[in-house]
Formats: sequence, C-alpha cells, structure tokens
Amino acid sequence: EVQLVESGGGLVQPGGSLRLSCAASGFIVSSNYISWVRQAPGKGLEWVSVIYPGGDTYYADSVKGRFTISRDNSKNTLFLQMNSLRAEDTAVYYCARDLAGTFAYWGQGTLVTVSS
Amino acid sequence: QSALTQEASVSGTVGQKVTLSCTGNSNNIGSYAVGWYQQISHGAPKTVMFGNSLPSGIPDRFSGSKSGTTGSLTISGLQPEDEGDYYCSTWDYSLSARVVFGGGTKLTVL
Repeated sequence: EVQLVESGGGLVQPGGSLRLSCAASGFIVSSNYISWVRQAPGKGLEWVSVIYPGGDTYYADSVKGRFTISRDNSKNTLFLQMNSLRAEDTAVYYCARDLAGTFAYWGQGTLVTVSS
Repeated sequence: QSALTQEASVSGTVGQKVTLSCTGNSNNIGSYAVGWYQQISHGAPKTVMFGNSLPSGIPDRFSGSKSGTTGSLTISGLQPEDEGDYYCSTWDYSLSARVVFGGGTKLTVL
C-alpha cells in the first residue's frame, strides 16, 4: 500500500527556517517524481517543487532560491528545506507522487505557520 | 490568477449528473493528462481521477474526459458525500512552474 507521511511543520518566525520530511512506503522514492504542494488558509492548491528520479529539481517562482527539495534514498524519504520564511509561506504542505503534473497519492499534510 | 480555469461553484441535486470543467491552453491541458482531486472540509486532497484512470476505491460514478484544452470531471448520480472542493492539475512546459492547478470548484449537493 502506498503511503506518504509528512512531518516537521510548526510555528516559525519570519526569516526563520524549517525542514519538512515526507516518509514514503509502498514505492521507491528515487524511482518516482515527487512534488511538494501547499495550501494557504482559505486558498487553493499551489505547486511548490518537484524532484525527478534522475535528481533534477524545479521550483515555483515564489520559493526559488529559498526552498530546497532533496531526498534520502536509504530512508526512502523526501525533504523540503525552507529558509527565509515569510508570512505568505504559511500553509499546509503536502507531498505527492507526481506523474506529469497529476498526482495519484497524497500525504496528510503538515502545517507551517510563519508568524512573530 | 490560476493557470487553469475552473468554475467557482457548481451545484446539483442528489442523483443528478454534473460536470466540472478545467480550461487551459495548448502548453498544458492540450498536451498532457489532467488530474482531479476532491477536498472535503479542508482535509487532504483525494485523487478521484488520474489521467484516464479511476483510482482504487473511487466510485465509478466519477469519470474524466478531455477535449482540446479543456478537461472535464463528470459525476453521474450525485451523492451527498460528493460535496466539497474539486481541483484539477496538469503539467505545463512553458512555465517555470512545472505543475499548474486550477483555482478549484466548490460543489454543493442540494
């Protein structure tokens, strides 16, 4: 059974950093496209970043230069390092298994709140 | 402003057939498959259509199609538990953002 479990969210001050994790089971992370998608309070879904099986990474303009996606193949886990956080980064962050921009599986999400 | 355009709201009665649309352009929907996701009470999104595939556990009253640059999600025989927000997504090769979403449709079951 495919499962994605996010963790690492919490309250952080503006300008701070946070590292999200996404533990996968039922499939191999390094063989799949995996994306981070976020949803700000009361808003729609917004794509954040993707990592390809070959290791290529891509980011939405809103997070480019501040967020870094990576993975640990030995732990079958995906990460999102978030630096220079802003109030507008407040959202629930989901990891999702990606196939050409469509998502078959989602995690339950982890809430990131950026506030002083 | 979302790259994909969805109706803000759609409503229907129990048992009715409703169709939600997702309009893009030749760089996204015109070239790639569309995914559809249901979100109830701001919980995690649940995939109800993945390209032309119905995920395991999703009732067969859900179906998807695409014509040109518009994708559609049809629910035949609307049920009260179908009420929620629905989002579409696909890949876009022209933008720095590789994946684009629609703004979402709020489906109300009357």
